[in-house]
Amino acid sequence: GAVVSQHPSWVICKSGTSVKIECRSLDFQATTMFWYRQFPKQSLMLMATSNEGSKATYEQGVEKDKFLINHASLTLSTLTVTSAHPEDSSFYICSARGRQGNYNEQFFGPGTRLTVL
Amino acid sequence: AQKVTQAQTEISVVEKEDVTLDCVYETRDTTYYLFWYKQPPSGELVFLIRRNSFDEQNEISGRYSWNFQKSTSSFNFTITASQVVDSAVYFCALTFYNTDKLIFGTGTRLQVFP
Repeated sequence: GAVVSQHPSWVICKSGTSVKIECRSLDFQATTMFWYRQFPKQSLMLMATSNEGSKATYEQGVEKDKFLINHASLTLSTLTVTSAHPEDSSFYICSARGRQGNYNEQFFGPGTRLTVL
Repeated sequence: AQKVTQAQTEISVVEKEDVTLDCVYETRDTTYYLFWYKQPPSGELVFLIRRNSFDEQNEISGRYSWNFQKSTSSFNFTITASQVVDSAVYFCALTFYNTDKLIFGTGTRLQVFP
């Protein structure tokens, strides 16, 4: 099956620093990648959708200048949380859809737990 | 409105009991897709099933079964003879034709005690 990895799996940083999270599709080309945020004991909320080579589409209420998304290749998307604050602490999950997969089939990464002190 | 409701926030059962997780969805679209995902404590989402709106046939996979009822807009999930390893949060999700956007329910936390 299709495998999606995320790095790092967890990160702790100081308030005001920037953190980059990588999402990679290991055995398929991901034309579209998605970034979700999940607060403790809550559901997944879509933050943005990115297509390879184009700008990400952000969901309402998500600050695009704070959560920078780059999808520069068919196997890699990055999410950079800029000037992180404690309220950005969350579980960030990416997913990817392949060029040849079912249109609605997304493969999820294992998630990255971000803690901002 | 397009929405997924999982009214059960938490369910506790003892091993070997059967348990049903409810999922009710709202949409005006005629073509849509429903999913169930399992999220164990490790956090990774595990895909369980995908069902399109034109296929109301119930499905069984081992101890798992799904009951899709368009008349009540429900897509319920039953685990038969539950096991401790079934303990996780289960999410029901909805999406539509020509879009990738998944709408997740709030999840049901299932705890199976030995």
